[in-house]
Amino acid sequence: DSGVTQTPKHLITATGQRVTLRCSPRSGDLSVYWYQQSLDQGLQFLIQYYNGEERAKGNILERFSAQQFPDLHSELNLSSLELGDSALYFCASSPTIGETQYFGPGTRLLVL
Amino acid sequence: AQSVAQPEDQVNVAEGNPLTVKCTYSVSGNPYLFWYVQYPNRGLQFLLKYITGDNLVKGSYGFEAEFNKSQTSFHLKKPSALVSDSALYFCAVRDPYSSASKIIFGSGTRLSIRP
Repeated sequence: DSGVTQTPKHLITATGQRVTLRCSPRSGDLSVYWYQQSLDQGLQFLIQYYNGEERAKGNILERFSAQQFPDLHSELNLSSLELGDSALYFCASSPTIGETQYFGPGTRLLVL
Repeated sequence: AQSVAQPEDQVNVAEGNPLTVKCTYSVSGNPYLFWYVQYPNRGLQFLLKYITGDNLVKGSYGFEAEFNKSQTSFHLKKPSALVSDSALYFCAVRDPYSSASKIIFGSGTRLSIRP
């Protein structure tokens, strides 16, 4: 158990819908990262927050957004969902920027 | 720009034999290097990292990795493979001198250990 929690574990929704994925980092970690893992794309970095502020952006679609709250938990919002958004979404946290990341168990999203 | 490559999609090894999972990287300065393992339906688990110091890094579950600056490699090794080592392995790199703070992950290598 890494200490990073993600909810929900599984999510099934329809195209065009919007969902919110939640992540609670390890106690004391200030940095949160979001990744998407699909079968044919490997692990894709989406976005990183540090102490409430966005620090780095990867291959994140405009339909996706995220934020980190004052209590350091983070939410990833996915809107206008498409079939291709079906994937595992991982959150990771680290004490500060660039240190070892500890991953949560992931949220499996299925868009029908 | 920093990058990392795992040239093998799959590695097959017999139980008890030594294993190597390859990783090469490209950064402008001295890299921070990481190995993670992902078991089915689980998140990634940290195995080991190299930041500075001894080129041979020891990690969890009997794994070790050797940093080779001249070959820009950071191969993961284990002297004697176990069936339970079968999983997906990711190498990752961060350029500590880059203004970007992200860690770049390789495409992953699926390790299969046969009994």
